[in-house]
Amino acid sequence: ILNVEQSPQSLHVQEGDSTNFTCSFPSSNFYALHWYRWETAKSPEALFVMTLNGDEKKKGRISATLNTKEGYSYLYIKGSQPEDSATYLCACRVSGNTPLVFGKGTRLSVIA
Amino acid sequence: DARVTQTPRHKVTEMGQEVTMRCQPILGHNTVFWYRQTMMQGLELLAYFRNRAPLDDSGMPKDRFSAEMPDATLATLKIQPSEPRDSAVYFCASGLVPLGPKHNQPQHFGDGTRLSIL
Repeated sequence: ILNVEQSPQSLHVQEGDSTNFTCSFPSSNFYALHWYRWETAKSPEALFVMTLNGDEKKKGRISATLNTKEGYSYLYIKGSQPEDSATYLCACRVSGNTPLVFGKGTRLSVIA
Repeated sequence: DARVTQTPRHKVTEMGQEVTMRCQPILGHNTVFWYRQTMMQGLELLAYFRNRAPLDDSGMPKDRFSAEMPDATLATLKIQPSEPRDSAVYFCASGLVPLGPKHNQPQHFGDGTRLSIL
């Protein structure tokens, strides 16, 4: 069974601070990793899909890196804003035919 | 933008009643997923379909839950009889099977059905 771990479970930062959190997964049988942003009372919204070791993706102030050899991905938020407050979900799959397995998320609160 | 549509958005009913949740996947997507959001498990996969065929429903309690896809535009999740412990937000998502690692696309989620069983 694929186990996707995210840390920390929750995080409180001040507006303007930069922050990052981690997604860990088994480095064997890796196929793809997805990051989602999930605001309260809304549906998860896709941020990035990453497949290759060394991948780096960026969307505005949010970026992510992938290390498939050691089994982790980092999500970075530069200059956090209150609207960045959400749960950030990581999900992995071991093949194109298998469903995503989600971590429990990192809940980010940005305090103005 | 194409969206996954779920109905109803909210459902409150008494235990023992049948509950049916519906999902209209994005046109052209060949895979449909049902998830349940719980405090302990986060997003828990209940069942999924590919090209309307059920591939895995091992995440569902078999005695009371059933998932079907009567046509390509409709997926249903039924609970009969419902119990208070079924109270949760149920999400449907749809996606495409990638042709290869470089063709991975994200899954698209509906807004969820918030179910309360009294």
